[in-house]
Amino acid sequence: EVQLVESGGGLVQPGGSLRLSCATSGFTFSGYWMTWVRQAPGKGLEWVANIKHDGSERFYVDSVKGRFSISRDNAKNSLFLQMDSLRAEDTAVYYCARALFTSNWNNDYWGQGSLVTVSS
Amino acid sequence: DIQMTQSPSSLSASVGDRLTITCRASQSITNNLNWYQQKPGKAPKLLIYAASSFQSGVPSRFSGSGSGTDFTLTISSLQPDDFATYYCQHTHSAPWAFGQGTKVEIK
Repeated sequence: EVQLVESGGGLVQPGGSLRLSCATSGFTFSGYWMTWVRQAPGKGLEWVANIKHDGSERFYVDSVKGRFSISRDNAKNSLFLQMDSLRAEDTAVYYCARALFTSNWNNDYWGQGSLVTVSS
Repeated sequence: DIQMTQSPSSLSASVGDRLTITCRASQSITNNLNWYQQKPGKAPKLLIYAASSFQSGVPSRFSGSGSGTDFTLTISSLQPDDFATYYCQHTHSAPWAFGQGTKVEIK
């Protein structure tokens, strides 16, 4: 059974840092691209970042470029999101998701989400 | 960057109704369009990928169509479990993006 479990969320002050983790199981992690998606309270979904299966390519939404960094540890089947210089508008539930190419790219499995609150 | 516009943003419907949600891309995305269902407090669930292909386990009352810039998600006969928010997503090129969502409520 495919499972993705996020952790590391919490309350942080503006300008602070936080590192999210996504532990995966039930599939060959090193063979898949991975995605982070976020959802601000009461708002819609926002794609945040993608990382290639070997970590050699990374893509970000403009609003987090230079502040967030997506990475992975294939030996530990884990995905990470390092978030620096956090702002109030980064407050959201952050989901990790597996990216699959079947005719097109899609996110077929998702974690339950981790809440990040940026507030003083 | 490619922008996605969904309509309507919300609707009220009854069990048994036929429902259509539309999604428009700001430029051609060929068939690189997915649909997700999200219920309150839960992660999104993939329903349709590549504009019209069913994700495994998704009921046949859901269908998707379209290509280029205009896409639709149709629910042929709304069931109680279908009251949720639906999102389209393009994966044509980075940055990927979602539509703003369509909330389906009980009339």
